[in-house]
Amino acid sequence: QVQLVESGGGVVQPGRSLRLSCAASGFTFSSYGMHWVRQAPGKGLEWVAVIWYDGSNKYYADSVKGRFSISRDNSKNTVYLQMNSLRAEDTAVYYCARELVTAAATETFDIWGQGTMVSVSS
Amino acid sequence: SSELTQDPTVSVALGQTVRITCQGDSLRTYYASWYQQKPGQAPLLVIYGKNNRPSGIPDRFSGSSSGNTASLTITGAQAEDEADYYCHSRDNSGDRLWVFGGGTKLTVL
Repeated sequence: QVQLVESGGGVVQPGRSLRLSCAASGFTFSSYGMHWVRQAPGKGLEWVAVIWYDGSNKYYADSVKGRFSISRDNSKNTVYLQMNSLRAEDTAVYYCARELVTAAATETFDIWGQGTMVSVSS
Repeated sequence: SSELTQDPTVSVALGQTVRITCQGDSLRTYYASWYQQKPGQAPLLVIYGKNNRPSGIPDRFSGSSSGNTASLTITGAQAEDEADYYCHSRDNSGDRLWVFGGGTKLTVL
């Protein structure tokens, strides 16, 4: 069954680092772009980063550019989010999501993980 | 940067039809996707592209688009449809790739 499982969340002090992982199963991971999306407590969804299927391109939201880094290991069916210089405003549930591109070139996020909570607090 | 604007709250009587809208410049170029999110759960894709439903999504959910506005229609709303709904599209402003609407809380009365 198609599944994404995030891990690596926790409580961290401001300025510290954390690495999130998202393990994929049930599909050919190396054929799909992968995204990270976050949701602060009681707030809406915010797109964070994307990595192309082969890792050749990566893009970030302005709010995390220069601090967060997305990567993937297709041999392990896993995508990562390295988060450095964490701030209180980075506190959120972090979801990974699979990007589906249809034959009609429609793009969407069709599979989501259950999310992992990151709390940045002193 | 572009934005997607949604009404914060919408209500509908049980069994009636409700439309949730999303406005933004990027919708003139890209189709919207719609996600349903219930408390404590991950978002669930309900509509994408011109009007496509993933497997398992009831056919009471449909999508449409005109100009800079995308709409999600629920025909015959059920109690289990009470949730937050988010629209989502590519961003055509150049400084980010994707953008979400602020979300609409749907209450089924």
